[in-house]
Amino acid sequence: DADVTQTPRNRITKTGKRIMLECSQTKGHDRMYWYRQDPGLGLQLIYYSFDVKDINKGEISDGYSVSRQAQAKFSLSLESAIPNQTALYFCATSDPRSPYNEQFFGPGTRLTVL
Amino acid sequence: GDSVTQMEGPVTLSEEAFLTINCTYTATGYPSLFWYVQYPGEGLQLLLKATKADDKGSNKGFEATYRKETTSFHLEKGSVQVSDSAVYFCALLTGTASKLTFGTGTRLQVTL
Repeated sequence: DADVTQTPRNRITKTGKRIMLECSQTKGHDRMYWYRQDPGLGLQLIYYSFDVKDINKGEISDGYSVSRQAQAKFSLSLESAIPNQTALYFCATSDPRSPYNEQFFGPGTRLTVL
Repeated sequence: GDSVTQMEGPVTLSEEAFLTINCTYTATGYPSLFWYVQYPGEGLQLLLKATKADDKGSNKGFEATYRKETTSFHLEKGSVQVSDSAVYFCALLTGTASKLTFGTGTRLQVTL
C-alpha cells in the first residue's frame, strides 16, 4: 500500500546533540509537511514543502531545519536539541489535485531530549 | 487568524451510547473541514471530510455536517464501540499554504 513512513519511531537524545528525523512516502504526493504534537496543544506546523525546490517555514520553525532530498523524502533536523523540543513529530503528505486536499500522516516519531 | 475549538475531554461513554464531540471554528474564507482520529500509539488517520456548507462527511458510522451558519462541524456516532476509544481532532484547511489548523483533541474512552 502507498504509505508514509517515519524513522526512527522513538529517539532519546541529550541537550545539544544534532538529530535528524526522516520521512519517506510512496503516495507520489508533491506536498510534504512536518508537524509537532504536544499534549493539550493539538498539532503545530513546523515546515512544509510543495516540491523539491520549495521549502517554507510554518508557525514554529525556530530551532528546526529541513531538507527535501527528493519528491519522496523530507527530513527534519534539530541542530542543537533542547528539552522543550521533546514531543511527538509527524510527517504528512498531500496531493493538491485532490478536491479535498486532505493530508495523510505517518506514524510519528517520539523524541525525548534529556 | 484561523482557529478550531473542540470540547474538552476526556469523554467517557458506555458501549452503544450516542457520541457527540463539538467542534467550532473561526476562519477567513471558506475552509475545508476534517476529523482525524489517533488510536493509541499510532499516527493520525483521516476519519471524514467536508468542503462546503451542508456537506455531510461520513465514515465507519461517524458523521459530521458542515454548518456555515453556526461555524460548526460536530462529530456524531449513534452507537460507539470499545474500539472507538481514541483521540479525535477537528481541523480546518485554508489558504494557498494548505495549512491544517487543529483543535486540541478530545479523548474518547468507551467502556463495556
